Amino acid sequence: QQQVKQSPQSLIVQKGGISIINCAYENTAFDYFPWYQQFPGKGPALLIAIRPDVSEKKEGRFTISFNKSAKQFSLHIMDSQPGDSATYFCAASKSGYNKLIFGAGTRLAVHP
Amino acid sequence: KAGVTQTPRYLIKTRGQQVTLSCSPISGHRSVSWYQQTPGQGLQFLFEYFSETQRNKGNFPGRFSGRQFSNSRSEMNVSTLELGDSALYLCASSPGLAGSYEQYFGPGTRLTVT
Repeated sequence: QQQVKQSPQSLIVQKGGISIINCAYENTAFDYFPWYQQFPGKGPALLIAIRPDVSEKKEGRFTISFNKSAKQFSLHIMDSQPGDSATYFCAASKSGYNKLIFGAGTRLAVHP
Repeated sequence: KAGVTQTPRYLIKTRGQQVTLSCSPISGHRSVSWYQQTPGQGLQFLFEYFSETQRNKGNFPGRFSGRQFSNSRSEMNVSTLELGDSALYLCASSPGLAGSYEQYFGPGTRLTVT
């Protein structure tokens, strides 16, 4: 009930392409779904987040798509750049609990 | 605003020793959460402190403990260190109020147990 499953484990995309990372959750009580970006030697940085009352949220080149009935959400990175090369984590939590349940992470490499 | 700061950044300890890590949250934030990051287990929640009280707890043994001070700074303690405790320990800062969900991470403390 507490798991968040993330795929793929690694992803290679050409510069200018679209990177897509998927996550699935089990606990229907989750109501906050953030994505974090982590560079080597750094802490995770909050990228974008969504609540289940909307199906899509876009911030710049980053878009979250959310499917409540399927219990799935995904991150789309448009016009991927070499500087986007990092590890991306999806996460989930429920109201009143500052306890993030993280996916296993996706290592993204954007080739020039 | 200054971000989340963690000290020390790197630490090497011997099995059986204890260690204390420190975290200063973003100014005005009252919630501090701690996470352990390892290659094998990924990011795992340890506990959360809000207004000097532990509000949530993960599934870690009692060797892992924490506290929060009146200025919201937090410390995490690990006693009787084991080799498996080698990890990046991250703290995350949040306003902690109802309706605020964002957590902002510090750079972490890299703990190596030998």
